[in-house]
Amino acid sequence: GAVVSQHPSRVICKSGTSVKIECRSLDFQATTMFWYRQFPKQSLMLMATSNEGSKATYEQGVEKDKFLINHASLTLSTLTVTSAHPEDSSFYICSAAQGSTREQFFGPGTRLTVL
Amino acid sequence: AQSVSQHNHHVILSEAASLELGCNYSYGGTVNLFWYVQYPGQHLQLLLKYFSGDPLVKGIKGFEAEFIKSKFSFNLRKPSVQWSDTAEYFCAVNLEGFKTIFGAGTRLFVKA
Repeated sequence: GAVVSQHPSRVICKSGTSVKIECRSLDFQATTMFWYRQFPKQSLMLMATSNEGSKATYEQGVEKDKFLINHASLTLSTLTVTSAHPEDSSFYICSAAQGSTREQFFGPGTRLTVL
Repeated sequence: AQSVSQHNHHVILSEAASLELGCNYSYGGTVNLFWYVQYPGQHLQLLLKYFSGDPLVKGIKGFEAEFIKSKFSFNLRKPSVQWSDTAEYFCAVNLEGFKTIFGAGTRLFVKA
C-alpha cells in the first residue's frame, strides 16, 4: 500500500527557532498533500492543503507566515514552523493523496515540543 | 459550517461484545466517508471507506459501516470486538473537492 513518511518523528527546540518537518510519499506520486495538527485528546485539525508546484491553501485561522509550506515535488512537502513558541507544541501529521482519489494516506506524525 | 460529530468520546467494552460507533455529518452535497483507526503509538490507518454504490461497506478486521444518506450518518459496527481493537477511531468526511473534516474521535477500550 501507499506509504507516507515524516521526518523527524520528534523534535525539541528552543523558543524563537524554526523547525522544518518533511513529509514524503515513498511509493507513489502525491499531487496533493495535507498538513494537520492534533492537540492532545482532540481530533485532527486541517492546517493547509498543498498542491505540487503551487502555493498552499491555508485554513482560516492558520498563519501562513508562521507555518510555511512548500510542495516542491510530487513526493515531498515540507512544513516549517517559524519562530516557534511553546503554544506551537503539538503533533503535526501530514497526508498525501494521489491523483483524483479522495483517499488520503497518513504519515506517522511529528511531535514538536517548543521549550 | 460543515462538521462531523462522533457521539461517543470513550467506549469501554468486554471482549466479544458488539460495537457501534456513531458518526453524523452536516453537509448537503456529495460526500465521501471514511473511518480511520489509530492504534496506540501508531499512525492513522484506513479502516474502510464509502465513495458510492452499496451503502453497507466492509473494511478490514471485521469492521463494517452503513451510510444512511437521509440521516447523514455513517456508523461503524463490529459484531464481536477483540482486545486488539483497543484504539482511537476517527470518522472523516471528504467534501466535494479534497477537503476532509475529521470527527473528534472515539477512544475504545476493550477489556480482555
